[in-house]
Amino acid sequence: QVQLVESGGGVVQPGRSLRLSCAASGFTFSAYGMHWVRQAPGTGLEWVAVTWFDGSRTYYADSVKGRFTISRDNSKNTLYLRMNSLRAEDTALYYCARDLYDTGPTALDYWGQGTLVTVSS
Amino acid sequence: QSALSQPPSASGSPGQSVSISCTGTSSDIGGYNHVSWYQQHPGKAPKLIIYEVTKRPSGVPDRFSGSKSGNTASLTVSGLQAEDEADYYCNSYADSNNLLFGGGTKLTVL
Repeated sequence: QVQLVESGGGVVQPGRSLRLSCAASGFTFSAYGMHWVRQAPGTGLEWVAVTWFDGSRTYYADSVKGRFTISRDNSKNTLYLRMNSLRAEDTALYYCARDLYDTGPTALDYWGQGTLVTVSS
Repeated sequence: QSALSQPPSASGSPGQSVSISCTGTSSDIGGYNHVSWYQQHPGKAPKLIIYEVTKRPSGVPDRFSGSKSGNTASLTVSGLQAEDEADYYCNSYADSNNLLFGGGTKLTVL
């Protein structure tokens, strides 16, 4: 069965960096677009970024453009999110999710359980 | 990139039908058929229940249905059951390869 397991979250000071990982299994990882979506405590969902199946194209929400980088290693079935210049408003549960198709963004059919990032001094 | 607009709450009694709206613009909902809906129970990850406006993933009951008219999409839950109580989010592809979510609607089964 499809499994997505995020890791790498934690407490980080404003202005610092963090890298999240998402280990995928149960499907052909290299055939699907992959996303990061976040949810601040007690609030709604916010799309963060998508990478195409081969990593050739990446797209970002305006709120993270220039600070976050999404990438993937298809040989390791792993998705990454490098987060630089972190701000308090980046505090959230970060979900890894699979796109329905090889590109995206379209719809997200499988989600991980999330990893919590807290930006605080 | 403004979020899509959803009512904060909706409610209905068991067995009744309830609809949740999601309003956007011609740059998102009105311009594309990549409208999706997600169900999220407390402490759980979201679950896809509708994609491409009207399609249901395998395993999602046909009590859930989607539609779209102009810049507004709707999710209808028929024959409400206690387990349908959850938060519901709409989502649409938007111009320039963006993905927008609605603010979410808390559905209460009375």
